[in-house]
Amino acid sequence: GQQVMQIPQYQHVQEGEDFTTYCNSSTTLSNIQWYKQRPGGHPVFLIQLVKSGEVKKQKRLTFQFGEAKKNSSLHITATQTTDVGTYFCPSSGYALNFGKGTSLLVTP
Amino acid sequence: EPEVTQTPSHQVTQMGQEVILRCVPISNHLYFYWYRQILGQKVEFLVSFYNNEISEKSEIFDDQFSVERPDGSNFTLKIRSTKLEDSAMYFCASSRTGGAWSETQYFGPGTRLLVL
Repeated sequence: GQQVMQIPQYQHVQEGEDFTTYCNSSTTLSNIQWYKQRPGGHPVFLIQLVKSGEVKKQKRLTFQFGEAKKNSSLHITATQTTDVGTYFCPSSGYALNFGKGTSLLVTP
Repeated sequence: EPEVTQTPSHQVTQMGQEVILRCVPISNHLYFYWYRQILGQKVEFLVSFYNNEISEKSEIFDDQFSVERPDGSNFTLKIRSTKLEDSAMYFCASSRTGGAWSETQYFGPGTRLLVL
């Protein structure tokens, strides 16, 4: 499977601030998926990006796939306390390799 | 919307006992997975299952573990003789397809296993 590094590992923001997490691979990715895990919850699929330069939006969440298909980002505009959780861009092969993800804490 | 279900939600067992964790994957999915997450740690892949046989497994998935699809709907993980370090949340997941092109995986709510 391909190895994907994600930064930052932790982010603490005030409610209303923006948040971005980045995933970087040394090799070209065929696709990238994003998942979210709430504290005490299970991983939940958010989105899959396939095309070079692809941008997809889900309400306040914007997902981008780099032109070279080696990096991706998730940007949350005006965070809310419901955004709390860990966001993952697992590297994929025969299974998902989750890594540590980015843990987001939002304080009111 | 279809979802993966898991039973029980919590299981407490004595060290050395056998446990069976049950999952009902999404009905038209062909690939099934087990992952585990030790408290405070990352989600780890255990095993994938396709066409009634194991397709991949991690080094965690040793001889104490086995998987089965006993009928057309259930997918089970058996731990033969539980150890303290088996205490974790166990997630079942399923996907329509799998292999090198990773299809989206849908996770169940998990079974929290505590070995005493």
